[in-house]
Amino acid sequence: ILNVEQSPQSLHVQEGDSTNFTCSFPSSNFYALHWYRWETAKSPEALFVMTLNGDEKKKGRISATLNTKEGYSYLYIKGSQPEDSATYLCAFSSASKIIFGSGTRLSIRP
Amino acid sequence: EAQVTQNPRYLITVTGKKLTVTCSQNMNHEYMSWYRQDPGLGLRQIYYSMNVEVTDKGDVPEGYKVSRKEKRNFPLILESPSPNQTSLYFCATRPSLAGQDTQYFGPGTRLTVL
Repeated sequence: ILNVEQSPQSLHVQEGDSTNFTCSFPSSNFYALHWYRWETAKSPEALFVMTLNGDEKKKGRISATLNTKEGYSYLYIKGSQPEDSATYLCAFSSASKIIFGSGTRLSIRP
Repeated sequence: EAQVTQNPRYLITVTGKKLTVTCSQNMNHEYMSWYRQDPGLGLRQIYYSMNVEVTDKGDVPEGYKVSRKEKRNFPLILESPSPNQTSLYFCATRPSLAGQDTQYFGPGTRLTVL
């Protein structure tokens, strides 16, 4: 059974602090690793798609790294702002399936 | 504008009354799928479709049916809904299952089965 694990489940961070969280995924049959940002009452929005071992992607204050050999990805947020409060989902895709983790719920304290 | 639309957005129904949730996309994407989201369980795939007339079961297909008669539409059918199908449902599309393709989500349908 393919499993995608995210940790921690939830995180409270002071505004201005930097933070990171983890996505673990199967290291076999790997096609891509996706990160999504999901705000309450909205639908998930794609942040990054990464396919190559060692990939690093950046969008503003948010960046992500990928290690396909050991099966993990980190998402980093630098200088957290209240608008960063959301659930961050990762998803592993193989040739025929996309499997989501259960997300890390991030809350930023002003 | 690229869009994934779902209807209805909210539905309260009773056990056993057949219902259909529609999903439509205007991006000519080949791959479409349905997910349900339940607290603590994340997004679980119900069914997916690689192309017209090609559908396959996801992780939680019991109690659901789908069809893909045309590329833009992928309706989710609950023949005899039960209370354990109360959930938030998302339709999603992507150009194909190729690695770099991003998945786009619809706005969600909140279903309550009494």
